[in-house]
Amino acid sequence: EAAVTQSPRSKVAVTGGKVTLSCHQTNNHDYMYWYRQDTGHGLRLIHYSYVADSTEKGDIPDGYKASRPSQENFSLILELASLSQTAVYFCASTPTGPYEQYFGPGTRLTVL
Amino acid sequence: GDSVTQKQGQVTLSEDDFLFINCTYSTTTYPTLFWYVQYPGQGPQLLLKVTTANNNKGISRGFEATYDKGTTSFHLQKASVQESDSAVYFCALAPNSGGSNAKLTFGKGTKLSVKS
Repeated sequence: EAAVTQSPRSKVAVTGGKVTLSCHQTNNHDYMYWYRQDTGHGLRLIHYSYVADSTEKGDIPDGYKASRPSQENFSLILELASLSQTAVYFCASTPTGPYEQYFGPGTRLTVL
Repeated sequence: GDSVTQKQGQVTLSEDDFLFINCTYSTTTYPTLFWYVQYPGQGPQLLLKVTTANNNKGISRGFEATYDKGTTSFHLQKASVQESDSAVYFCALAPNSGGSNAKLTFGKGTKLSVKS
């Protein structure tokens, strides 16, 4: 069974603070992704990676950094959190395209 | 770039009603098309997938979608919905063009509410 886990599941952050969201997959998949979900916008790709130690910009990368220290782990970093980054964040993995992407349960981030 | 359009933000039905969710797309390639379903409090999960290799039609759990290249559409249908089908449904596209085919473009989603 494919497995993608995210931590924390919920977080409240202050404006201007640093936030790190973590993702771990046990699927042995090459590709990993970070999306944000907002009402009315669906899922938008922030960053993705197809190999450890390398990341690529997605469609909305501004204000976010990503890190892929190993095949299993992929982090999303908000260096200076802003109110507009309040959203639900999903991590996903896939062996390669265009196969099914397996999503984690999401992290609800609230920036105050 | 690629785009996916779901015009229906919300659909409300009664049990045993027919479901139709509209999805159209734009791409310069022959895409792989997906429908994902997201239940409350969960991440999206694959409902069905269609490529030109599988007769352009996907069927799963009573849901059906047909890829129509002429009208660039990939509508989702189900003959008789149940309350348990209440969820958000996303149409998505993966281009078949080298390394970029690992990226999905999602529609905005359609929230289905089924009343018993």
